[in-house]
Amino acid sequence: DAGVTQSPTHLIKTRGQQVTLRCSPISGHKSVSWYQQVLGQGPQFIFQYYEKEERGRGNFPDRFSARQFPNYSSELNVNALLLGDSALYLCASSPGTGDGETQYFGPGTRLLVL
Amino acid sequence: KQEVTQIPAALSVPEGENLVLNCSFTDSAIYNLQWFRQDPGKGLTSLLLIQSSQREQTSGRLNASLDKSSGRSTLYIAASQPGDSATYLCAVLGQTGANNLFFGTGTRLTVIP
Repeated sequence: DAGVTQSPTHLIKTRGQQVTLRCSPISGHKSVSWYQQVLGQGPQFIFQYYEKEERGRGNFPDRFSARQFPNYSSELNVNALLLGDSALYLCASSPGTGDGETQYFGPGTRLLVL
Repeated sequence: KQEVTQIPAALSVPEGENLVLNCSFTDSAIYNLQWFRQDPGKGLTSLLLIQSSQREQTSGRLNASLDKSSGRSTLYIAASQPGDSATYLCAVLGQTGANNLFFGTGTRLTVIP
């Protein structure tokens, strides 16, 4: 069974540009969460989506947005990129059947903003 | 706001040694605590999950304990191997209704052959 997949694996953008990152959850999982991991730090929660609805949002500016599709895949969009947005962006999926579920992480997308 | 701290930030041990990694958190209202492994430039691999009602979990050479009242968890690795070299992250899930994991900054472990 395939795990969580993310695309692209690496991305280089310049300041002010926009970027879209993609995530496909484990088959049967309905919940997708996004995290940002800056070098040397632990991941920070950005969004959670469940059944195409936003269920939680971390402390990130409105330049960050996300959506979930009917097949439960998800996109994270970041507008007006800043140098500080350079990070590993991780997607995690879980079944969505209850609280406190194990989250399964993808390999991440490494974004470099120049 | 939940804050998670991991000590030490880095650890270097000879192969075969037993070791303990520490994690502390400020808000004891948690659903569970997870330990993850992260290899350089890679995603996270879940090692152990302890529900808030549990005291410990074991998987092979790994044993994780949880003391919710004192806000502490430990990850014990027995008979360490060079393949155990990685960054170990501790994360707690709060009782907020969202899948918001709060992570520590990790302990970078190096096992010397």
